[in-house]
Amino acid sequence: QVQLVQSGAEVKKPGASVKVSCKASGYTFTGYYMHWVRQAPGQGLEWMGWINPNSGGTNYAQKFQGRVTMTRDTSISTAYMELSRLRSDDTAVYYCAREGGYCSSTSCHDWFDPWGQGTLVTVSS
Amino acid sequence: DIQMTQSPSSLSASVGDRVTITCRASQSISSYLNWYQQKPGKAPKLLIYAASSLQSGVPSRFSGSGSGTDFTLTISSLQPEDFATYYCQQSYSTPRVFGPGTKVDIK
Repeated sequence: QVQLVQSGAEVKKPGASVKVSCKASGYTFTGYYMHWVRQAPGQGLEWMGWINPNSGGTNYAQKFQGRVTMTRDTSISTAYMELSRLRSDDTAVYYCAREGGYCSSTSCHDWFDPWGQGTLVTVSS
Repeated sequence: DIQMTQSPSSLSASVGDRVTITCRASQSISSYLNWYQQKPGKAPKLLIYAASSLQSGVPSRFSGSGSGTDFTLTISSLQPEDFATYYCQQSYSTPRVFGPGTKVDIK
């Protein structure tokens, strides 16, 4: 079955960087975009961007431009999200999510399914 | 960027109740609207895509409707496992944006 397994929890100091991994299995890794979404404690879902695992192309939310880098290693079917210059308000659970979708004769729809289990990143001095 | 709102932000309901959650987009998004369910400590789960299509494996008591700017998620008969937070998400344009969520708890 399709599965995304993320790396474990991290504790970082302000100003540091964190790199979260997302290992995919059960499907052709290069065939589907991978998105990253975060959720601060008690808050809603915030989209961070996507990576095309086939080409390595990326699209980041403007809020994270200059601080986020999404990469992939196709040899091990793993996507990565690195966030730099961490602040306390970056404390959140970070999720990877595969983009699913279909196209009819007139339109293409996409969604996030499945999701990884989440990685808690705590930023604290 | 497209903004998404949901109402209510929370609701209390009983098992067997019919529950309706509304999502509104700041501009027309046609039917580019998805719904997710999230339980505490768990990742979100896709329920409905393209406004009204039920994801495989999701119980038929869940349904979605709407197009343009106004959308609805309906649970026809609330079950104990349905107590969770529900998010809408637009897939019309980038950045992808989620609604703020609607928490459904037990009355």
